[in-house]
Amino acid sequence: EAQVTQNPRYLITVTGKKLTVTCSQNMNHEYMSWYRQDPGLGLRQIYYSMNVEVTDKGDVPEGYKVSRKEKRNFPLILESPSPNQTSLYFCASSLSGGQGPDTQYFGPGTRLTVL
Amino acid sequence: DQQVKQNSPSLSVQEGRISILNCDYTNSMFDYFLWYKKYPAEGPTFLISISSIKDKNEDGRFTVFLNKSAKHLSLHIVPSQPGDSAVYFCAASAWANFGNEKLTFGTGTRLTIIP
Repeated sequence: EAQVTQNPRYLITVTGKKLTVTCSQNMNHEYMSWYRQDPGLGLRQIYYSMNVEVTDKGDVPEGYKVSRKEKRNFPLILESPSPNQTSLYFCASSLSGGQGPDTQYFGPGTRLTVL
Repeated sequence: DQQVKQNSPSLSVQEGRISILNCDYTNSMFDYFLWYKKYPAEGPTFLISISSIKDKNEDGRFTVFLNKSAKHLSLHIVPSQPGDSAVYFCAASAWANFGNEKLTFGTGTRLTIIP
């Protein structure tokens, strides 16, 4: 089954404790992206990757890191989480190189609470 | 600066009637528009899209209208069904200008279909 998986689905942590949210897709997609969803703000892009070893900042990258060592995986790293990073996080992937933006497939989300 | 705006946070519609969800944008570089649907505890899923060279796109019960001069698009669902109850996100892409898959999302509208 074609899908984007994220782990963990729920996480409660404390300020300053490094954490990683994993994202994996099995559709051989080039493009991957991380979003956060907050009330009244919709989905905002954190980082994206056009292909392996190619990453770039989105609209709200502060406090986050990413890496793309393999095509299927795109982990999101919070080196020193703070309470304002409490949010619902989504990973997404799509093909690229078509005649327009391709459909993005989203993971089920990770709800992160930073105390 | 919210470049994609959905001014109605919520909308309730009787089953069988038409649901109309609205979206406004400010960036004239946007040339491709999409609607995503989100159920609780799931990631958003693609619903329908429209290129700026068109003013209407239809897919079954779903039709998206684009008014470029007004920088406005709308999603019509007819007839509305209980399974349509979800949060709907409008998204925009400047694909032709920047050639990447970046989407800018609106804040979402929660649609409730009343049986």
